[in-house]
Amino acid sequence: DAGVIQSPRHEVTEMGQEVTLRCKPISGHDYLFWYRQTMMRGLELLIYFNNNVPIDDSGMPEDRFSAKMPNASFSTLKIQPSEPRDSAVYFCASLAAPGRGQFFGPGTRLTVL
Amino acid sequence: GENVEQHPSTLSVQEGDSAVIKCTYSDSASNYFPWYKQELGKRPQLIIDIRSNVGEKKDQRIAVTLNKTAKHFSLHITETQPEDSAVYFCAASFNTDKLIFGTGTRLQVFP
Repeated sequence: DAGVIQSPRHEVTEMGQEVTLRCKPISGHDYLFWYRQTMMRGLELLIYFNNNVPIDDSGMPEDRFSAKMPNASFSTLKIQPSEPRDSAVYFCASLAAPGRGQFFGPGTRLTVL
Repeated sequence: GENVEQHPSTLSVQEGDSAVIKCTYSDSASNYFPWYKQELGKRPQLIIDIRSNVGEKKDQRIAVTLNKTAKHFSLHITETQPEDSAVYFCAASFNTDKLIFGTGTRLQVFP
């Protein structure tokens, strides 16, 4: 198994542009999580899905952020419009079942100029 | 609300010494406690985990202990090596599929 796959690995964009991050979870994992990591705020959970349904989006910073999971093998996190304070590493993680470890993807390093 | 506190924030040890990182959690219903290691520029990786029905678990040089009464758990690394240098995160699952992470401990092992 290739593990959790994220793309792109690096993204540099200008303020105001739309950014779309992509994630493919491990096959058979029913849960998918989106995290944001910064030095100041650490690792923050943004949103997570179970069987493609959003369960908890209380960590999504504001309406500029949206996430979808159209099928079991694909999810997107979109920021529109992007702002410099959105610069961070965004991780996707998947989970087979509660009470087990989450497995993280390699992350997307986003820089908004 | 749900909270996990982690100490210390930084830890420096000499190669061969032991390192201990401690975490406390707020919700007594927590039943799953994983530890993650994150090397610079890399993803967090699960290194060991423990469930609430077990008091201690070992895997080679690393071990985790859990004290449910005091609501704290610890990571122990023995015979530390330079490649153990990383940021370590504890986490707790409050009886759900969601993990609450600690703020991380930066461990430096000096040769």
